[in-house]
Amino acid sequence: KNQVEQSPQSLIILEGKNCTLQCNYTVSPFSNLRWYKQDTGRGPVSLTIMTFSENTKSNGRYTATLDADTKQSSLHITASQLSDSASYICVVGDRGSTLGRLYFGRGTQLTVWP
Amino acid sequence: EADIYQTPRYLVIGTGKKITLECSQTMGHDKMYWYQQDPGMELHLIHYSYGVNSTEKGDLSSESTVSRIRTEHFPLTLESARPSHTSQYLCASRFRGKRIDEQFFGPGTRLTVL
Repeated sequence: KNQVEQSPQSLIILEGKNCTLQCNYTVSPFSNLRWYKQDTGRGPVSLTIMTFSENTKSNGRYTATLDADTKQSSLHITASQLSDSASYICVVGDRGSTLGRLYFGRGTQLTVWP
Repeated sequence: EADIYQTPRYLVIGTGKKITLECSQTMGHDKMYWYQQDPGMELHLIHYSYGVNSTEKGDLSSESTVSRIRTEHFPLTLESARPSHTSQYLCASRFRGKRIDEQFFGPGTRLTVL
């Protein structure tokens, strides 16, 4: 069964600190992995997209890594800011269907305290 | 920021009412999607469309219906709303980038059925 699991479920850190969010998946055949940021009451916004040939991708203070062999990804946030408080969703795409199906994790709820 | 819009943003209605959630995008994307999201849970695909006059049901069974008469417009209709329909509804559209499809989400409609 194609699944995307994220950990931790929630995380609280102090402003200025770094943190790392984890994503494990069983989606096959694998096509791509995306990280989205979703603010409360808003739609998800794309942070990074990686294909199987990429093992790291950065977007400002966000750096995503991908290990396609172990089917794991992480999202590292550097020097956190209050505006980083949001849910971070790991999404994995397959290449086994015309739809280009996306599988969503439940997200990690990050809270940054001043 | 993506040019994909949803109205209304919030809706509180009584049981048995007919409602239509609007979604429009000005990017000319052929593929459009509707997702349902409950708090702390993953997004579930309920409808999708590959283009005008194309609509398909997603993974999550839904009593809602959709139509795609114009490329830019993908409304979702509930003929008779029930409390079980209370949820956040997210519309998305996708285009084929140089390497990979990019998917953009609207801001969502928070529906509450009393």
